[in-house]
Amino acid sequence: DIVMTQSPLSLPVTPGEPASISCRSSQSLLHSHGFHCLNWYLQKPGQSPQLLIYLGSNRASGIPDRFSGSGSGTDFTLKISRVEAEDVGVYYCMQALRTPFTFGGGTKVEIK
Amino acid sequence: EVQLVQSGAELKKPGESLKISCKGSGFNFSNSWIVWVRQMPGKGLEWMGIIYPGDSDTRYNPSFRGQVTISADKSTSTAYLQWGRLKASDTAMYYCARGWYRSSSVRWFDPWGPGTLVTVSS
Repeated sequence: DIVMTQSPLSLPVTPGEPASISCRSSQSLLHSHGFHCLNWYLQKPGQSPQLLIYLGSNRASGIPDRFSGSGSGTDFTLKISRVEAEDVGVYYCMQALRTPFTFGGGTKVEIK
Repeated sequence: EVQLVQSGAELKKPGESLKISCKGSGFNFSNSWIVWVRQMPGKGLEWMGIIYPGDSDTRYNPSFRGQVTISADKSTSTAYLQWGRLKASDTAMYYCARGWYRSSSVRWFDPWGPGTLVTVSS
């Protein structure tokens, strides 16, 4: 199975400041058709997960442009340009290159 | 509006059977993939399997194969997750989601249902 490792585990943030989460996979997530099979989800407190970024860098519908995804191969990053209070929750990366699809352990973002 | 509505919370005893549901609306359910994801209390997300209601093509995470059964009824736009004999370790929140297809496989999940909490306790 492809192992997904996120860091940090916990990320205290100040509203208005940038934030960054790292995700590393145990093997390259580059598909032969040229896209990366890496997604980012946010699970806000008491809610189901929601898609933020798909295929490495594509923002999902309705997601503010302060969220961006980047990376290649085995190293990926989710960046929030200016954190807002509503961005708190647990962020998960997920690989969809091959089954079984696997998630990172999560990064909990909270306001300082 | 694309929506997934899941059945309500369940409290069951070890050894009992259970079938929970996920009803889709606002999209072509038969021509979409539906995925199931488990979240144990205080833990992360685990992909369980996927089904294509159009022809009931089903794929399982090997960790869950034989433990659960995924099925779907395209006539009612409903997917199901069932257990034959529940264990205390099946206590978790179970989410369904729509899977999006790219280059011969599901590649991302959106949207997600609200989840069904299953509690197994004697």
